[in-house]
Amino acid sequence: KQEVTQIPAALSVPEGENLVLNCSFTDSAIYNLQWFRQDPGKGLTSLLLIQSSQREQTSGRLNASLDKSSGRSTLYIAASQPGDSATYLCAVKGSEETSGSRLTFGEGTQLTVNP
Amino acid sequence: ETGVTQTPRHLVMGMTNKKSLKCEQHLGHNAMYWYKQSAKKPLELMFVYSLEERVENNSVPSRFSPECPNSSHLFLHLHTLQPEDSALYLCASSQYGQGGYYGYTFGSGTRLTVV
Repeated sequence: KQEVTQIPAALSVPEGENLVLNCSFTDSAIYNLQWFRQDPGKGLTSLLLIQSSQREQTSGRLNASLDKSSGRSTLYIAASQPGDSATYLCAVKGSEETSGSRLTFGEGTQLTVNP
Repeated sequence: ETGVTQTPRHLVMGMTNKKSLKCEQHLGHNAMYWYKQSAKKPLELMFVYSLEERVENNSVPSRFSPECPNSSHLFLHLHTLQPEDSALYLCASSQYGQGGYYGYTFGSGTRLTVV
């Protein structure tokens, strides 16, 4: 059974700082990995999707890397802003044969960027 | 309307009530999901409807009953709920094609409180 762990559970940083969020998964046979953002009481917004054959994806100030063999992904946020404050969720999708369409989520990292 | 729309946004119900959550997707996707998000826990898949599968999480109590009348609409019927069922219920959709499932999009969720 796939398990996803995110460290740290919470992070508070001053504005402008570069930061790294970590995600690890127990079964390296994944199809892809996705990072989401969730604002309080809201749904999930997809940030970056990395296919199993890829090493990283970039979107603006965000960069996500994937090391499938070690079961790790990182989300790098450059020059953080107060508007980045949210919970960041990592989700992995296994192969169609083993897990169908389901995503397995971590518990998230709650980020607070202080002005 | 675009994306995935969930109604109502908030719901307070007594343990003897019957209510339904509604989800509608405007993306042309062919798979829809119900996820449950409880405090301090990872998102948990409850049900999947797609052309390829209908998955029921065996740990979901029978007081939750899904209905998917067509590929654009998904309902979650609730009856005789317990206070521990209070959570954020998220609907999602995705597209199943030759390459597998992709394009996961989440709604804003229904915040359910059982009193």
